[in-house]
Amino acid sequence: AQRVTQPEKLLSVFKGAPVELKCNYSYSGSPELFWYVQYSRQRLQLLLRHISRESIKGFTADLNKGETSFHLKKPFAQEEDSAMYYCALVYSGNTGKLIFGQGTTLQVKP
Amino acid sequence: DAGVTQSPTHLIKTRGQQVTLRCSPKSGHDTVSWYQQALGQGPQFIFQYYEEEERQRGNFPDRFSGHQFPNYSSELNVNALLLGDSALYLCASSTQGARAAFFGQGTRLTVV
Repeated sequence: AQRVTQPEKLLSVFKGAPVELKCNYSYSGSPELFWYVQYSRQRLQLLLRHISRESIKGFTADLNKGETSFHLKKPFAQEEDSAMYYCALVYSGNTGKLIFGQGTTLQVKP
Repeated sequence: DAGVTQSPTHLIKTRGQQVTLRCSPKSGHDTVSWYQQALGQGPQFIFQYYEEEERQRGNFPDRFSGHQFPNYSSELNVNALLLGDSALYLCASSTQGARAAFFGQGTRLTVV
């Protein structure tokens, strides 16, 4: 079965430190991977998707099919990055059914 | 554009009762999906509606049912509520074939 694992419930870093939010998935095909973010009192929103290969708010994520990972990285964390981050996938041949990980809370301390 | 809107924002129901949650998709979107998010967990897919039909379904019992209207808005119905149905229910909309989705603020359902 398809599964997304985010091993850390909480990641706490100081402002200016590098951030890496881990995401691993289990799926034998070619999924599409996403990172969604939820800031305090706001709705869940798309942060980035692997097919875009873009950087959003300084975050990047590279799909590593060999390690089945899609880790989210930022070289210098900002306090406004504090939020809940969810990794999600859609498997090939499917549309709309997002499979989410359990989420990681990122806390950036001043 | 108000984006995806859900109503009500909060709801308290008693075990055994029935509940209806509502969702209006983002303008231009024709596909609506529903998710259940239990406390401390990621959202779990319930089902997806397109052209007024259920297109996909997650691992949820038949107590969970839905409907999509000609204007693309949608309802989620849950019958015979259990305490374990207490959760945040999220609606997401997209265009058919799109994989990324826009989410609403959710409806917090508490079953007592």
